[in-house]
Amino acid sequence: DAGVTQSPTHLIKTRGQQVTLRCSPKSGHDTVSWYQQALGQGPQFIFQYYEEEERQRGNFPDRFSGHQFPNYSSELNVNALLLGDSALYLCASTGTGGDYEQYFGPGTRLTVT
Amino acid sequence: ELKVEQNPLFLSMQEGKNYTIYCNYSTTSDRLYWYRQDPGKSLESLFVLLSNGAVKQEGRLMASLDTKARLSTLHITAAVHDLSATYFCAVEPNSGYALNFGKGTSLLVTP
Repeated sequence: DAGVTQSPTHLIKTRGQQVTLRCSPKSGHDTVSWYQQALGQGPQFIFQYYEEEERQRGNFPDRFSGHQFPNYSSELNVNALLLGDSALYLCASTGTGGDYEQYFGPGTRLTVT
Repeated sequence: ELKVEQNPLFLSMQEGKNYTIYCNYSTTSDRLYWYRQDPGKSLESLFVLLSNGAVKQEGRLMASLDTKARLSTLHITAAVHDLSATYFCAVEPNSGYALNFGKGTSLLVTP
């Protein structure tokens, strides 16, 4: 049973560019959440997608947007990259039927230069 | 705004010693999670605490939850070097879906 997968593993972008990160949830899960973890900090909630809609959003600017596909996979898009966007981006998936735990993927390390 | 406070933020302890990490939070919640993170890695789930008075143990780690006091503890018994990592507590408020993380406790176990 495959867990949560994310791609790419590492990414280097230049300030002002745009980036797309991808996440496939654990088998049987239909909800995807995205978190940003800056170096030395705890993860910060960006948003959560359920039934292809953004269900809840954290305190992040509109430069951060997302999408969920019919197969429950998800993308995180960040426009006009800033140096401060450099972080580990974590995707987590959640199932239904009483299993509320969020299972985290391996993350994508984004470096903005 | 939900606040999650962990203390201590840094902990250096000798092998064989016991210690407790505390996690206080500021809103009503019946779900609290503990994660371990090794440098450069993702989050590894340790414990899921879903009700008041919940206590879970795995090896040298034991976690508990007091929802009335809005407090969770992670107790380390007879620490070994392999426990060196950063430990996060995360709270899911009853009114939302987001996990709210503490700043983490960086644990170093020395001989």
